[in-house]
Amino acid sequence: EAQVTQNPRYLITVTGKKLTVTCSQNMNHEYMSWYRQDPGLGLRQIYYSMNVEVTDKGDVPEGYKVSRKEKRNFPLILESPSPNQTSLYFCASRRVGVNEQYFGPGTRLTVT
Amino acid sequence: SQQGEEDPQALSIQEGENATMNCSYKTSINNLQWYRQNSGRGLVHLILIRSNEREKHSGRLRVTLDTSKKSSSLLITASRAADTASYFCSNSGYALNFGKGTSLLVTP
Repeated sequence: EAQVTQNPRYLITVTGKKLTVTCSQNMNHEYMSWYRQDPGLGLRQIYYSMNVEVTDKGDVPEGYKVSRKEKRNFPLILESPSPNQTSLYFCASRRVGVNEQYFGPGTRLTVT
Repeated sequence: SQQGEEDPQALSIQEGENATMNCSYKTSINNLQWYRQNSGRGLVHLILIRSNEREKHSGRLRVTLDTSKKSSSLLITASRAADTASYFCSNSGYALNFGKGTSLLVTP
């Protein structure tokens, strides 16, 4: 089944403790992206990647890192999480040249 | 920065009625997309309209685009309870911008 998977789905952590949210897609998509969704602010793009080893900042990249060493994986790294990074995070992917994005199920992160 | 702004923020209708939501955007676009999000879940692509198109249909969905007004509308006809969700518009390309969404509630 074609899908985007994220892990973990729920995470409660403390300020400053490094964490990684994994994202994997099995559709051989070149493009992958991370978003955060907050009440009243909608969906905002954090980082995106057009292909392996090619990443670029979205609207809200501060406090986040990404890497794209393999085509299927696009992990989101929070080196020193802070409470303002408490949010619902979505990973998405699509084929370059095709507009339809496929979204993962979301990761609900709480930083205390 | 947010490209699209949906209006209204929330809409409540009864089953069988039509639901119309609007999206206004700031800068020129090549395509405009609409997505649906069921509560807390990932977004699902609904329909894309190209900048040279004025109207597009897909099942019970009708999308219009007015590039001179930088606006689009999504009409859901004969709504069902299962249409209850949030609806977002977005540009296309690499750097994507979504609006804040319209929350639609369809009651039986």
